[in-house]
Amino acid sequence: DADVTQTPRNRITKTGKRIMLECSQTKGHDRMYWYRQDPGLGLRLIYYSFDVKDINKGEISDGYSVSRQAQAKFSLSLESAIPNQTALYFCATSDASGAFYNEQFFGPGTRLTVL
Amino acid sequence: SQQGEEDPQALSIQEGENATMNCSYKTSINNLQWYRQNSGRGLVHLILIRSNEREKHSGRLRVTLDTSKKSSSLLITASRAADTASYFCATDEYGNKLVFGAGTILRVKS
Repeated sequence: DADVTQTPRNRITKTGKRIMLECSQTKGHDRMYWYRQDPGLGLRLIYYSFDVKDINKGEISDGYSVSRQAQAKFSLSLESAIPNQTALYFCATSDASGAFYNEQFFGPGTRLTVL
Repeated sequence: SQQGEEDPQALSIQEGENATMNCSYKTSINNLQWYRQNSGRGLVHLILIRSNEREKHSGRLRVTLDTSKKSSSLLITASRAADTASYFCATDEYGNKLVFGAGTILRVKS
């Protein structure tokens, strides 16, 4: 089984709808992240969480919210989806060992289309 | 703001040739990482090089880091069709979070 799973894998929705993307991990990592990928722009950080009680905004948090329900679960919500949120969304995890930033483990991604 | 910037944006080579892609960044870093992404899939970590290291090897991969020039290069030797993917560098902003570049698209023709 995959260490980092995302559901759904694909989603088509309409403008104004509320959408939740879910991420679960079995790696036992404390740190979890949500990224968005657009063609030609690489990955941009939306939100990150270093433990269950910690939530931090990333580079592009407007229009998104997150919930860290447990060490293993980190959900991303679009309260009112808009077409320019059409993108590929990735969840990632890393452990907290060491003084510097560690390797991240990515889920398979969710392709979201907002019509 | 993006930290790492890859060059070239796209690279097409024949199987067996070497592929070199470069990454430049703007501020001081603790480490730099390279990731691979097969089309539409999640990123896979390839290698991490710390700021006090100059070169690192992993199988057919060789990464160099020049902190004076704020640049890194990834060399893939004896490329294979399976190496076709996008490659991203990522830098840390003093242990806060990773910032990814836009990536280099590598195509290896068989």
